[in-house]
Amino acid sequence: DVKVTQSSRYLVKRTGEKVFLECVQDMDHENMFWYRQDPGLGLRLIYFSYDVKMKEKGDIPEGYSVSREKKERFSLILESASTNQTSMYLCASSLGDLGSPLHFGNGTRLTVT
Amino acid sequence: GQQVMQIPQYQHVQEGEDFTTYCNSSTTLSNIQWYKQRPGGHPVFLIQLVKSGEVKKQKRLTFQFGEAKKNSSLHITATQTTDVGTYFCAVSMDSSYKLIFGSGTRLLVRP
Repeated sequence: DVKVTQSSRYLVKRTGEKVFLECVQDMDHENMFWYRQDPGLGLRLIYFSYDVKMKEKGDIPEGYSVSREKKERFSLILESASTNQTSMYLCASSLGDLGSPLHFGNGTRLTVT
Repeated sequence: GQQVMQIPQYQHVQEGEDFTTYCNSSTTLSNIQWYKQRPGGHPVFLIQLVKSGEVKKQKRLTFQFGEAKKNSSLHITATQTTDVGTYFCAVSMDSSYKLIFGSGTRLLVRP
């Protein structure tokens, strides 16, 4: 069974802090994704990666960056956290085939005060 | 911005009643996937539709892809309390790995 692990379930940070959200998958999946989930807005794609060191912007990349140095790990970075980045962050992975289903982690609920 | 509309936003039904959620796009879709998220959980893949007019069934769940590949529906027959959750459609438009989610339909079931 695919396991996608996010390093923290809950995180509280102060405005202006640099924040790292880590995600690791154990099934050798090529694709990895970062979404944020807010009530009434569904899941919005921040960034995705289809290979090591490759990344593409999603619909809401502003204020975020990502890093994929190893195939199994995809990090989301908030360079200077702001209160409007308070949200649930979901990491997902999938095989390299187009249309492969996403396997999600349990999410990180980030609060920026 | 939002490229796929999902309705309704909420549905509250009596156990045993049917439920349907709809996903609509203004552009032709390559494929559509459906996910279910239980309260407090993460989205879990249910099914993928690829062909025009395709209909797939999973027990009490029926998934349909429109002939023009611009819309899809998920129908649950005789809902049960275990069906509670938020149902999302997710689409890719142009043979891209990028998967865009609808805003979801939250289903509540009265026992």
